[in-house]
Amino acid sequence: GENVEQHPSTLSVQEGDSAVIKCTYSDSASNYFPWYKQELGKRPQLIIDIRSNVGEKKDQRIAVTLNKTAKHFSLHITETQPEDSAVYFCAASIVSGGSYIPTFGRGTSLIVHP
Amino acid sequence: NAGVTQTPKFQVLKTGQSMTLQCAQDMNHNSMYWYRQDPGMGLRLIYYSASEGTTDKGEVPNGYNVSRLNKREFSLRLESAAPSQTSVYFCAAAGNQPQHFGDGTRLSIL
Repeated sequence: GENVEQHPSTLSVQEGDSAVIKCTYSDSASNYFPWYKQELGKRPQLIIDIRSNVGEKKDQRIAVTLNKTAKHFSLHITETQPEDSAVYFCAASIVSGGSYIPTFGRGTSLIVHP
Repeated sequence: NAGVTQTPKFQVLKTGQSMTLQCAQDMNHNSMYWYRQDPGMGLRLIYYSASEGTTDKGEVPNGYNVSRLNKREFSLRLESAAPSQTSVYFCAAAGNQPQHFGDGTRLSIL
């Protein structure tokens, strides 16, 4: 089955700095890669996703890059703000017909210091 | 439009007790999922249902059963609760992608 490794487990930055979280996956057939943000005591919520036919996607201060050859993808947050503090999860999945079962990384706790 | 609704939000059980966690979605999605979340372990899939009438085991199914009652509802049952099942449980639903999560059930087993 799919295996997703996520690093680092904890990331501490100063407000205004950039933050990068990296994930690797094992199954070359994986074709959909979502990122979720989970604030303390809340549900995971999708912040950005990318499909295997795209190398990069941006949404304001957030971007995701995908390297299919190396089987890794990364989340980039620029101009970090205290409200970006949360746990971030990456996931990889094979979307085929009606089947969609993502495998999650273990999460990165991002702390943004004012 | 509530999305994915889980009940209860909190529960304390004694070892050996049974209970059912309820999940309902109003997004008309075919697939539904149950996860458990433990510190440092991310989200681990317990069971999922790709469509009404079908269920399949995920990564950590032991000690749990599920029922896909209809397209809207997917319940998770603990027949004989154990302290190792203390966790936060999330239900999710998905059409194509991505998944939408409920608010979670915090379950403590003493």
